[in-house]
Amino acid sequence: NAGVTQTPKFQVLKTGQSMTLQCAQDMNHEYMSWYRQDPGMGLRLIHYSVGAGITDQGEVPNGYNVSRSTTEDFPLRLLSAAPSQTSVYFCASSREGGVNTEAFFGQGTRLTVV
Amino acid sequence: EDQVTQSPEALRLQEGESSSLNCSYTVSGLRGLFWYRQDPGKGPEFLFTLYSAGEEKEKERLKATLTKKESFLHITAPKPEDSATYLCAVLGPWGNKLTFGGGTRVLVKP
Repeated sequence: NAGVTQTPKFQVLKTGQSMTLQCAQDMNHEYMSWYRQDPGMGLRLIHYSVGAGITDQGEVPNGYNVSRSTTEDFPLRLLSAAPSQTSVYFCASSREGGVNTEAFFGQGTRLTVV
Repeated sequence: EDQVTQSPEALRLQEGESSSLNCSYTVSGLRGLFWYRQDPGKGPEFLFTLYSAGEEKEKERLKATLTKKESFLHITAPKPEDSATYLCAVLGPWGNKLTFGGGTRVLVKP
C-alpha cells in the first residue's frame, strides 16, 4: 500500500498565484485533514473532512479551500498565494476521527511563496 | 482553547544516556493524548495514544506516561536511530481537532 501520497513535494509560487496541493490515500479512510507546519508552532489544522462530500474548517482556514468528492482524494487549494503561506503542508488520514485518531501522514509539500 | 507545550525544545544525548521529554497540556476534558515521531523531511509517524491518567504504553526503548497535567516520553538507552523530533498532541472534548505542541528535537550521538 502506498498510504498517503502528496504531490508535489516542493513548490515555489509567486504572490497572487493559485495552485492545488494533491493528497490521495488508498486505505479507505473516512477522515482526512490538512495541516501546516511552521518552525516553533507545531502542526496547525487547516481543514478536515469526515467523509466524501463533507468538509469543515480547522484552526487556520483563511486563504485555503478544500473539497472531498471521493473517499480517496482531498485536495487543498490556495486561491491567491501570500508569503505568509510559506510552510510545509501535511495531509493526514485516519480510519475515523476522535479518539481513534491514529493518523497516517504524507511526506509533506514544502511551499515557498515569493 | 487547548494548549500543548513541549520541553525541552532540543535534547542532545549520548548513546545509552536515558532521558525524558515533557508534554504539558491544558484542555477541558481530555479524550486522548498522542505521541508522534517525525524524521527530517518526512511526515509524523504515530507512536502512542494515552487516554487516562496513570496509563503507560511502551514500544522498544520508548515509554509514554500520562498524568492529569502532563505526559512524559521516556527514552531508555537510546540509539542513534532514535534521533528525531517527537510531537505530542491532545484531543479535547469536542470535535476531531488535534492540538499539537512544538515538538522536541532529539539527537543521539554514538
